[in-house]
Amino acid sequence: QLVLTQSPSASASRGASVKLTCILSSEHRDYIIAWHQQKPGKGPTFLMKLNSDGSHTKGDGVPDRFSGSSSGAERYLTISSLQSDDEADYYCQTWATGIRVFGGGTKLTVL
Amino acid sequence: VQLVEHGGGLVKPGGSLRLSCATSGFPLSSYTMNWVRQVPGKGLEFVSSIDSESSFQYAADSVKGRFTISRDNAKNSVYLHMDRLRVEDTAIYYCARDGVRGFGEVFTLWGQGTLVIVSS
Repeated sequence: QLVLTQSPSASASRGASVKLTCILSSEHRDYIIAWHQQKPGKGPTFLMKLNSDGSHTKGDGVPDRFSGSSSGAERYLTISSLQSDDEADYYCQTWATGIRVFGGGTKLTVL
Repeated sequence: VQLVEHGGGLVKPGGSLRLSCATSGFPLSSYTMNWVRQVPGKGLEFVSSIDSESSFQYAADSVKGRFTISRDNAKNSVYLHMDRLRVEDTAIYYCARDGVRGFGEVFTLWGQGTLVIVSS
């Protein structure tokens, strides 16, 4: 079964960096994922598509502070120089034939 | 480039509702389109998808047989017809667009959502 696992919460100080993790089910370790950001009261926005080799394609206007990387079944979203505006929920997403799957989301708090 | 959902509201259990998604700024006929929902305060859940030519539609098990996705490329619109609604269908419903063909089945554009409340 295709499953994405995310920690429910994370926190970091303004100006620091944070690395969010999305873990694919082991038999799906080579899958491509996407990262999405959802700010309070808003619809999600696409951040990037992230390949198993760590290469990634960002959405239009996504700042350079956002980057992606991969290691085995783990996919990462790193946000550097954190700003208050980065406080949001972050979801990873992937797909299999006919279905799309989301991780449970990570709520990022900027201290 | 945007997606704007309409049609949410309050409906009784067992009732029906049709959501619409108005698209602009891109050629709708080139993209697979989707509906995703979110119970307020909870995570995102895939609902249904339809390919660019309406050849394939997929639905989550939770809505299969009750919800039908459709599209009218000439009207730049995507629809979600919801029948036999249940209390647990209460959620914000988002319209979402895939990336260009070959990019992968990831959502690259989202709407702002429309709230559906199923309650007696």
